[in-house]
Amino acid sequence: KNEVEQSPQNLTAQEGEFITINCSYSVGISALHWLQQHPGGGIVSLFMLSSGKKKHGRLIATINIQEKHSSLHITASHPRDSAVYICAVRGNTDKLIFGTGTRLQVFP
Amino acid sequence: EAQVTQNPRYLITVTGKKLTVTCSQNMNHEYMSWYRQDPGLGLRQIYYSMNVEVTDKGDVPEGYKVSRKEKRNFPLILESPSPNQTSLYFCASSYSGRGGELFFGEGSRLTVL
Repeated sequence: KNEVEQSPQNLTAQEGEFITINCSYSVGISALHWLQQHPGGGIVSLFMLSSGKKKHGRLIATINIQEKHSSLHITASHPRDSAVYICAVRGNTDKLIFGTGTRLQVFP
Repeated sequence: EAQVTQNPRYLITVTGKKLTVTCSQNMNHEYMSWYRQDPGLGLRQIYYSMNVEVTDKGDVPEGYKVSRKEKRNFPLILESPSPNQTSLYFCASSYSGRGGELFFGEGSRLTVL
């Protein structure tokens, strides 16, 4: 079993839909990162969380430390949100452990 | 502009020919790291560095070397590349090892024939 599990692996949506991507982990962590990777592109950091909730524009990230679970929400999705979203946790050894990513496609 | 710069962006080489992928950041970050990304396997950490002269192995260090002689630079060295090191490589940095937003380079696509 992977130490970081994301679901779903693939997600399609119509423009305007509310989207949720989940990340569960099994190790102790000091921080959790949500990353975005566009096709053929580089990787951009969306959020770093150690507790609670953060919001940036249409993106919201939450984390529940007790349940070892984080969610990334996208409100009013748009085709430009189509990308791979990656959850990564920084363990207590300072190594980063990545989920395998969620491929999101948003259609007009 | 805050950035992480990797070079080369694309490289085709042959088995056994030593190569170095450079990584430089201009944000005075303490933490730097290298990852490889392979289809179906996602991102995996190769090596990381908490500060100058402090490096440690990630999950897939075999076949790679790193050094951190200056804070801004963290080169990845493949002493004797093999075809199984064909991959997309990313360098990243953050303010510290225990926290801080991650900044990624644009990636280096390496093909070993």
